[in-house]
Amino acid sequence: EAAVTQSPRNKVAVTGGKVTLSCNQTNNHNNMYWYRQDTGHGLRLIHYSYGAGSTEKGDIPDGYKASRPSQENFSLILELATPSQTSVYFCASATSNSDYTFGSGTRLLVI
Amino acid sequence: QQKVQQSPESLIVPEGGMASLNCTSSDRNVDYFWWYRQHSGKSPKMLMSIFSNGEKEEGRFTVHLNKASLHTSLHIRDSQPSDSALYLCAASPYNQGKLIFGQGTKLSIKP
Repeated sequence: EAAVTQSPRNKVAVTGGKVTLSCNQTNNHNNMYWYRQDTGHGLRLIHYSYGAGSTEKGDIPDGYKASRPSQENFSLILELATPSQTSVYFCASATSNSDYTFGSGTRLLVI
Repeated sequence: QQKVQQSPESLIVPEGGMASLNCTSSDRNVDYFWWYRQHSGKSPKMLMSIFSNGEKEEGRFTVHLNKASLHTSLHIRDSQPSDSALYLCAASPYNQGKLIFGQGTKLSIKP
């Protein structure tokens, strides 16, 4: 069954540390997305990709990097984590018609 | 200010009643709208999408779209306790594939 798998499910990081969130999809979708979800803000787009080797900035890219080394994998990198980046992060893969499949989410706490 | 605005922020409806949720895009460069439902602690799941002016019905769910005003609404009839969730509206800018989400409406169905 096609799926989007995120790891880790939960993460506690220290302020100033490096955090990498991973996402793997078996849908063979070209498009992949990283969102964060905070109460009162819905889902906000951080970075996205149209295929291997490409990354694009979303609406709130500051403090985040993205990497798409292959069709299947899309990572979100926090080089210097801050408490304001405490959130739930969702990865999604999608067709060009925006038919999204979301992962189960990663809950990140930065202390 | 978010480009996709939803109202109300929260809504309480008695079991068996009608729930009506609203969503408007302030970005005129959008053409498709989606409605997602997200139960607590879970990832968003697509409910319905609408691309053309008018109405679309699937079971207890009806979506309306007015493209001139970029307003969409979701109506849930015969509401059930299992409908209690966060409802997210999303819009897609022309030819971009990515989805821009609203802040959500929290729906509670009271038995």
